[in-house]
Amino acid sequence: GIQVEQSPPDLILQEGANSTLRCNFSDSVNNLQWFHQNPWGQLINLFYIPSGTKQNGRLSATTVATERYSLLYISSSQTTDSGVYFCAVEGQGAQKLVFGQGTRLTINP
Amino acid sequence: ETGVTQTPRHLVMGMTNKKSLKCEQHLGHNAMYWYKQSAKKPLELMFVYNFKEQTENNSVPSRFSPECPNSSHLFLHLHTLQPEDSALYLCASSIGLEQFFGPGTRLTVL
Repeated sequence: GIQVEQSPPDLILQEGANSTLRCNFSDSVNNLQWFHQNPWGQLINLFYIPSGTKQNGRLSATTVATERYSLLYISSSQTTDSGVYFCAVEGQGAQKLVFGQGTRLTINP
Repeated sequence: ETGVTQTPRHLVMGMTNKKSLKCEQHLGHNAMYWYKQSAKKPLELMFVYNFKEQTENNSVPSRFSPECPNSSHLFLHLHTLQPEDSALYLCASSIGLEQFFGPGTRLTVL
């Protein structure tokens, strides 16, 4: 099945810093989503981005489907950005999201 | 608030108990999913339902029994669970490819 690899596994930054999270995947995808999991376990949708670039406030994402990777950018980080960020993909012909191991982001004041 | 609700939010049960998890979506979606998130493993799919029909069972043990009476409701019936089944159980729904998740039920099996 399709493999998803996220890097880095952990990232610690000061408030105000910028960060880039990476997601590599092993095959063509129909769907790619970025989520933020809050401390209570809720998965919050950030982007649905199987290809192209999207921006939402301080967050933006780019997926280069031909090279099988996606990047999530967080600018001017705030302490509320802390948590685990997951990339999940759905391979062609498969109706299920396969999740990466996540990147744990800690923003210190 | 994603439009997907789950109850209960927390559940503690013994290995001989029978309990059920409930998921409801208010988004008009036609597909619903159960995922499991264990402490040491990535989120993994358990079941998929499309228009109330089960279309995927990801080799889940029979002590987990899903039920989908209509496109808005999804249950996970639990019986004779093991301590290693303790995890966060997440429900999701979709109408296209993008999936939306509920807040999860944190299950502890004693």
